[in-house]
Amino acid sequence: DTAVSQTPKYLVTQMGNDKSIKCEQNLGHDTMYWYKQDSKKFLKIMFSYNNKELIINETVPNRFSPKSPDKAHLNLHINSLELGDSAVYFCASSQAGLAGVSYNEQFFGPGTRLTVL
Amino acid sequence: DQQVKQNSPSLSVQEGRISILNCDYTNSMFDYFLWYKKYPAEGPTFLISISSIKDKNEDGRFTVFLNKSAKHLSLHIVPSQPGDSAVYFCAASWFGNEKLTFGTGTRLTIIP
Repeated sequence: DTAVSQTPKYLVTQMGNDKSIKCEQNLGHDTMYWYKQDSKKFLKIMFSYNNKELIINETVPNRFSPKSPDKAHLNLHINSLELGDSAVYFCASSQAGLAGVSYNEQFFGPGTRLTVL
Repeated sequence: DQQVKQNSPSLSVQEGRISILNCDYTNSMFDYFLWYKKYPAEGPTFLISISSIKDKNEDGRFTVFLNKSAKHLSLHIVPSQPGDSAVYFCAASWFGNEKLTFGTGTRLTIIP
């Protein structure tokens, strides 16, 4: 039973297109995240949502917009895709944000490999 | 500015021997540290963590050591097994902060 799932696993698209990546967690966590792993394998946080509210927004181009319809889902929309957006995108979730629980062991999804041509 | 550094991109160890993976950090606010393991085409999987009130945490074959004065932590795996071959990421956070800062990873290869 998958804890954090992402779709699609692979996404190949042309420059300028708009695409979305979906993420769902069935762990009952209140906080979800999006990470980007670039070609140098550096894993860096992009966004974090706690109970549908944006908590962390790193310096990410505004072409990237997270959407959280409920606390079990955090989708990532990317507009006007560029070559540099090619990367692996990981979704994660954790218990962080609950009262008395601030250290966060994050559970990751399998990743979505985005290739922009 | 990379606040968490793993200076060894790769490490090869004979099966049965000890694997030692190292991690250095620069931000004094960090007080919680985690190790993640990642296989190809999968997401990182939590392995073990340690808070700054401890200098050692052990879980089966995995032990993490923290040297706060040196801002250094290490992961020991003993004995090393072929299934331990993966990329290992060190990550750091602080109390109340929801953000994990990751190192660039060390690829561990266990030689049978």
